[in-house]
Amino acid sequence: SAVISQKPSRDICQRGTSLTIQCQVDSQVTMMFWYRQQPGQSLTLIATANQGSEATYESGFVIDKFPISRPNLTFSTLTVSNMSPEDSSIYLCSVRDRRTGELFFGEGSRLTVL
Amino acid sequence: RKEVEQDPGPFNVPEGATVAFNCTYSNSASQSFFWYRQDCRKEPKLLMSVYSSGNEDGRFTAQLNRASQYISLLIRDSKLSDSATYLCAVIPGAGNMLTFGGGTRLMVKP
Repeated sequence: SAVISQKPSRDICQRGTSLTIQCQVDSQVTMMFWYRQQPGQSLTLIATANQGSEATYESGFVIDKFPISRPNLTFSTLTVSNMSPEDSSIYLCSVRDRRTGELFFGEGSRLTVL
Repeated sequence: RKEVEQDPGPFNVPEGATVAFNCTYSNSASQSFFWYRQDCRKEPKLLMSVYSSGNEDGRFTAQLNRASQYISLLIRDSKLSDSATYLCAVIPGAGNMLTFGGGTRLMVKP
């Protein structure tokens, strides 16, 4: 399985500010996925980050709020823009094993917005 | 109806008990199924994939019932360390994206 590193692991932010989360993978992957897990909830896919093209967003998520970069095959960033307390969540980066379909996650970035 | 549904629990069981969770999915064309384990304040980790013929890994057995569109996870001889949230995940249809159930919380007590 891939080794996925995220940072920051946690942060406390003020309302109205933005935070960029970084995700580094130890191998080249075509797609990287960004999930959100709100307190007490399951995981919701925000978007798929594709290298060389714009990210594909799921229903309810828009690029202005969650801009994503994918400069190469091992790295991606997710920005949470103009944060509000409702954005307090764990944000998880993940990659998929192409052969088995299994999804592997980074350690997550726990965001608290005051 | 949600694409993937689980009983949220919690399931409170004594050590040594056998416990089973089910997870239903709505898309009959779903091809890939997984169980993940998530400890408190940690990321989900793959527990096991679920194959058509069923599969077993030690105390854990996963099964797929295509006719009724559910997958199951059986844990035998529960340990305190099994306490966690168990998430089922499905790739619906031919897509790439994994859809997760809401998770089932298990608490194993002495």
